[in-house]
Amino acid sequence: DSGVTQTPKHLITATGQRVTLRCSPRSGDLSVYWYQQSLDQGLQFLIHYYNGEERAKGNILERFSAQQFPDLHSELNLSSLELGDSALYFCASSVDTSRGNTIYFGEGSWLTVV
Amino acid sequence: KNQVEQSPQSLIILEGKNCTLQCNYTVSPFSNLRWYKQDTGRGPVSLTIMTFSENTKSNGRYTATLDADTKQSSLHITASQLSDSASYICVVSGNTGNQFYFGTGTSLTVIP
Repeated sequence: DSGVTQTPKHLITATGQRVTLRCSPRSGDLSVYWYQQSLDQGLQFLIHYYNGEERAKGNILERFSAQQFPDLHSELNLSSLELGDSALYFCASSVDTSRGNTIYFGEGSWLTVV
Repeated sequence: KNQVEQSPQSLIILEGKNCTLQCNYTVSPFSNLRWYKQDTGRGPVSLTIMTFSENTKSNGRYTATLDADTKQSSLHITASQLSDSASYICVVSGNTGNQFYFGTGTSLTVIP
């Protein structure tokens, strides 16, 4: 158990809908990262938050947004969902933003868009 | 273009044998390189992290090497076990360390 908690574990929704994925980082970790893993594109970095502030953006679509709250939990909002958004979404956390920090991954949220 | 390429794509080895996985990258500027092990349907687990100045790092039966000049890394697994069957992913961080570029992974199967 990495200590990173993600909910829901599985989610099925229809195209055009909006969903929110939630992440609780490890106790004491200030950095939260979101990743998408699909069958055809592998793992992709979406976005990084540190202590409530956005630090870096990767291949995150404009239909997607994220935020980190004062209690350090984070949410990833996916809107106007398309079939291609079906993927496993991982949240990860680390102590801070230092280069050598271990990044711990949650077990992921499986999103299926039908 | 920042890219990370891994080889082989898949590998089958006998239990107890050694194997080496390769990772080549074009990410620049370079911050660090990480190897992860990912069981099917589970979150990746960190094996090693190496910065520019480090050229080898071990974690039990896993040893990673880094040649920052040729932009190559390898992950050597010794005395493989059935539980080593997983996907091994190379991740390179660029810039300040907050941009991540993932390889597509090597799928390793260890058979009895």
